[in-house]
Amino acid sequence: DTAVSQTPKYLVTQMGNDKSIKCEQNLGHDTMYWYKQDSKKFLKIMFSYNNKELIINETVPNRFSPKSPDKAHLNLHINSLELGDSAVYFCASSQGQGATEAFFGQGTRLTVV
Amino acid sequence: AQSVSQHNHHVILSEAASLELGCNYSYGGTVNLFWYVQYPGQHLQLLLKYFSGDPLVKGIKGFEAEFIKSKFSFNLRKPSVQWSDTAEYFCAVTPKHSGNTGKLIFGQGTTLQVKP
Repeated sequence: DTAVSQTPKYLVTQMGNDKSIKCEQNLGHDTMYWYKQDSKKFLKIMFSYNNKELIINETVPNRFSPKSPDKAHLNLHINSLELGDSAVYFCASSQGQGATEAFFGQGTRLTVV
Repeated sequence: AQSVSQHNHHVILSEAASLELGCNYSYGGTVNLFWYVQYPGQHLQLLLKYFSGDPLVKGIKGFEAEFIKSKFSFNLRKPSVQWSDTAEYFCAVTPKHSGNTGKLIFGQGTTLQVKP
């Protein structure tokens, strides 16, 4: 059973489009995250939700809007896609906000053309 | 500001060689430390973690790491690498305090290439 699953795995789209990436975890964790991995493989946090409440928003453009319908899901919607949004987006979850380990999804490779 | 620095960006080794990847962090308080591995085309997996206690921690697949508080370091080691260890390795920290959000601060990663 996949612990943290993201869909789609690959996403190719044109500039200006709106797209969503879905994430679900079946670990019963309270906290979920979105991380962005750029072309140099550097990973940086974007958002974090704890029990459906936003707790981290790391100066991400407001074209990016996370949505957490319940604590097992954290979706990422991106409006007006730009070339610079091309990256791999990883969803992750952890038990509580404390420093427990995070479990990552397989990533979504977004390519904006 | 909190930051993590990995000294080696690209390491090439032959099978059976020993591995040490450097990681230093910058933070004024106590932290929890992690090493994650990303095999080609796959997600990040936890190799090992340090929260407290014995500063020498053992992880999966024969990896270990040593936390040296005075040097703000958490270097990853493996006595004998295999071709299957070819991957990207990330050091990460998260501050240990009551307001901790669980946010991981990553180093820039080290690409390990093991030649058969």
